[in-house]
Amino acid sequence: EDQVTQSPEALRLQEGESSSLNCSYTVSGLRGLFWYRQDPGKGPEFLFTLYSAGEEKEKERLKATLTKKESFLHITAPKPEDSATYLCAVHRAGGTSYGKLTFGQGTILTVHP
Amino acid sequence: SAVISQKPSRDICQRGTSLTIQCQVDSQVTMMFWYRQQPGQSLTLIATANQGSEATYESGFVIDKFPISRPNLTFSTLTVSNMSPEDSSIYLCSGIGLAGRTDTQYFGPGTRLTVL
Repeated sequence: EDQVTQSPEALRLQEGESSSLNCSYTVSGLRGLFWYRQDPGKGPEFLFTLYSAGEEKEKERLKATLTKKESFLHITAPKPEDSATYLCAVHRAGGTSYGKLTFGQGTILTVHP
Repeated sequence: SAVISQKPSRDICQRGTSLTIQCQVDSQVTMMFWYRQQPGQSLTLIATANQGSEATYESGFVIDKFPISRPNLTFSTLTVSNMSPEDSSIYLCSGIGLAGRTDTQYFGPGTRLTVL
């Protein structure tokens, strides 16, 4: 059974204080690892897909990295508008699993001005 | 990014009644899915909505409780039947294969359901 564990559950930062969120996963064959941002009362907003160990992707103040067992979402010099819940999900390889994502519990990020 | 819309955005229902949620995608998708997000929890996959055939349900979810239709490539409905307070959740639809991105899955804004 696929498992995704995110840490910490909640993270409070001062504006400009860089940090990282962790996503540890167990899956029998990884097709892709997704990162989403979710604001209160809204659906998840797609950020990145990572496909293989060593891959990195960046978007504004966010950079996602992937190893064989975990992924990190690095936030550089965050701003209050980066406050949200960040979700990690794995997409298992295999025909019958196509499109089916297993999500972690999320990390609630709060950035104080 | 692709646009996925849902109706209604929220509803308050009495126990024992049913609610149908609509999901519309602005372009063709390869696959559509329905997820549930219970209060304070993450997303759990309910089923895959198959065009023109019965949906494929995940363990713990059954067709009698969550009937799903997908009459064409861009539209799907989820019905929450014989509701109880435990069904109070956010229900989200998603699509994969939008705009040629075969592995990117986009989500709708969600339908927040409260059952009294």
